[in-house]
Amino acid sequence: ETGVTQSPTHLIKTRGQQVTLRCSSQSGHNTVSWYQQALGQGPQFIFQYYREEENGRGNFPPRFSGLQFPNYSSELNVNALELDDSALYLCASSSEGSSTDTQYFGPGTRLTVL
Amino acid sequence: AQSVAQPEDQVNVAEGNPLTVKCTYSVSGNPYLFWYVQYPNRGLQFLLKYITGDNLVKGSYGFEAEFNKSQTSFHLKKPSALVSDSALYFCAAVLNTNAGKSTFGDGTTLTVKP
Repeated sequence: ETGVTQSPTHLIKTRGQQVTLRCSSQSGHNTVSWYQQALGQGPQFIFQYYREEENGRGNFPPRFSGLQFPNYSSELNVNALELDDSALYLCASSSEGSSTDTQYFGPGTRLTVL
Repeated sequence: AQSVAQPEDQVNVAEGNPLTVKCTYSVSGNPYLFWYVQYPNRGLQFLLKYITGDNLVKGSYGFEAEFNKSQTSFHLKKPSALVSDSALYFCAAVLNTNAGKSTFGDGTTLTVKP
């Protein structure tokens, strides 16, 4: 069984740039959730994708967008980067888009915006 | 709006002593509750969850948690702490009507001293 993987591990961008983060879900899982974890805080829910459709969104602006592919891997895109976007971005996969699902997290992508 | 509070930023215990990491929640409705642990430079790892039924939930690595509806709490406990339990612990809540939107607390750093 393959766990959740994320790429890249670290990324440095400048304000105004765009970034794409990638996540491969655990084998057998069709749901991917993305979270932003700022330093010293808990993860903040960005959105969830279930079978290639958005299945819920947190309080993030439209410049945060995502995709889920037929193999259930996912991308998080952030446009017009701001300094406050600097954070650890976590991806989590689960077996069905249900509230009771256990989520399995990847190691995260550390984004630094200068 | 739903929220999860972890009132202690830091908990220190001696190895072999019992430990408690506190969590309270504020949601309208019936939440599902989760505990995760995060080690340095790693993603979150699932420990246990409360969905329904017995208020005492047993999870990984000897951890357990007690759901208390009247006090809206879900405290994490372990009878005998190990040095290797030292990590950052997160409590999370999900509403049954809002699949995917997990709300996390800001975390509690547990330090177990030999």
